[in-house]
Amino acid sequence: DAGVIQSPRHEVTEMGQEVTLRCKPISGHDYLFWYRQTMMRGLELLIYFNNNVPIDDSGMPEDRFSAKMPNASFSTLKIQPSEPRDSAVYFCASSFQGVNTEAFFGQGTRLTVV
Amino acid sequence: GDSVTQMEGPVTLSEEAFLTINCTYTATGYPSLFWYVQYPGEGLQLLLKATKADDKGSNKGFEATYRKETTSFHLEKGSVQVSDSAVYFCALANSGYALNFGKGTSLLVTP
Repeated sequence: DAGVIQSPRHEVTEMGQEVTLRCKPISGHDYLFWYRQTMMRGLELLIYFNNNVPIDDSGMPEDRFSAKMPNASFSTLKIQPSEPRDSAVYFCASSFQGVNTEAFFGQGTRLTVV
Repeated sequence: GDSVTQMEGPVTLSEEAFLTINCTYTATGYPSLFWYVQYPGEGLQLLLKATKADDKGSNKGFEATYRKETTSFHLEKGSVQVSDSAVYFCALANSGYALNFGKGTSLLVTP
């Protein structure tokens, strides 16, 4: 397996634009997590899914953020409209039967909002 | 709520020095504890884990022991190499299934 695949690796957008980040988890994994990493706040959990169903979205900062998982092999994180304070590295991770097993991380998407 | 506290970095060591990165946690119940490592430009990788008190996780010369009495999970390595330069994250997983991370400790090992 190629691991967790995220796209794009880098995204630069103007304030107010819509941004969509994509994630393909490892085949067979039933948990998918979205994290945001910044220097100030470290790694923050935004939302996670189990069997494509959102379980906890309490970390989603505001209504401008939304996430979907239409099937077991694909998830999106959308920001609309984007703001400069959304600039961060966004990681997707997947695991099988929860995180007492290993969570595998993608390489991240570095988002810059100007 | 649950939380993880790590020592502030950056930590700079000479090659072959002894490494300790402190990690303490606050949690109800019996969490599982983890150390993840992030190399530049990459995602996080699991380094080691421990799922119950007194368990010792080990990998690639790194070790950490789950100490419930001191709520700690300190990372140690007897002799670091330049290739160990990275950011190290302590994390816990409790009744939920999502990892709760510390802020990370940057390690730089010089030749």
